[in-house]
Amino acid sequence: GNSVTQMEGPVTLSEEAFLTINCTYTATGYPSLFWYVQYPGEGLQLLLKATKADDKGSNKGFEATYRKETTSFHLEKGSVQVSDSAVYFCALSDQAGTALIFGKGTTLSVSS
Amino acid sequence: ETGVTQTPRHLVMGMTNKKSLKCEQHLGHNAMYWYKQSAKKPLELMFVYNFKEQTENNSVPSRFSPECPNSSHLFLHLHTLQPEDSALYLCASSQEVGSGGATDTQYFGPGTRLTVL
Repeated sequence: GNSVTQMEGPVTLSEEAFLTINCTYTATGYPSLFWYVQYPGEGLQLLLKATKADDKGSNKGFEATYRKETTSFHLEKGSVQVSDSAVYFCALSDQAGTALIFGKGTTLSVSS
Repeated sequence: ETGVTQTPRHLVMGMTNKKSLKCEQHLGHNAMYWYKQSAKKPLELMFVYNFKEQTENNSVPSRFSPECPNSSHLFLHLHTLQPEDSALYLCASSQEVGSGGATDTQYFGPGTRLTVL
């Protein structure tokens, strides 16, 4: 079945450091891929998405590229800020679009 | 993002109580979802509604009863819950189920933090 695997956290970085959160997936066909972010005490917010191979999603300085050959969708940011501290979820939606399948989430903590 | 609202934001209930969670979306979507988020577990899909019809029940115990009177509103009725049901319950909506591609993005509400004593 479809599944998403994220790197285990927590990830602890200093402000302005480079961020990578790894995400790999298993799916049949050509799923859409998403990154969601959850700030403390809030629901999930869509951060970025990609709907086909080689697409790059980007938002608020975050980027992720849909790599079909490596079945990956790693999240990157060149310079993190304290306000980026949150839990990040990688997810996929299969071609049927029935529902999203989420990874377990990666907690990011950025200190000044 | 205020397109999806949930009430109440916090709820404490005893195991013999009956309560309901409410979700409303203002995005013109036709699909709505309930998820459960427990500590240290992946988000668990509970129910899916598409054009007011339930299309998925992910083996959820009968003490959770969903209701979707129209495409904008979704309820989760709770009765005789257990302490292990304490979690954050998230509602989401999308344009429709099964459309795939760029229209399958789900938008989430802020959640209801439920504590069962």
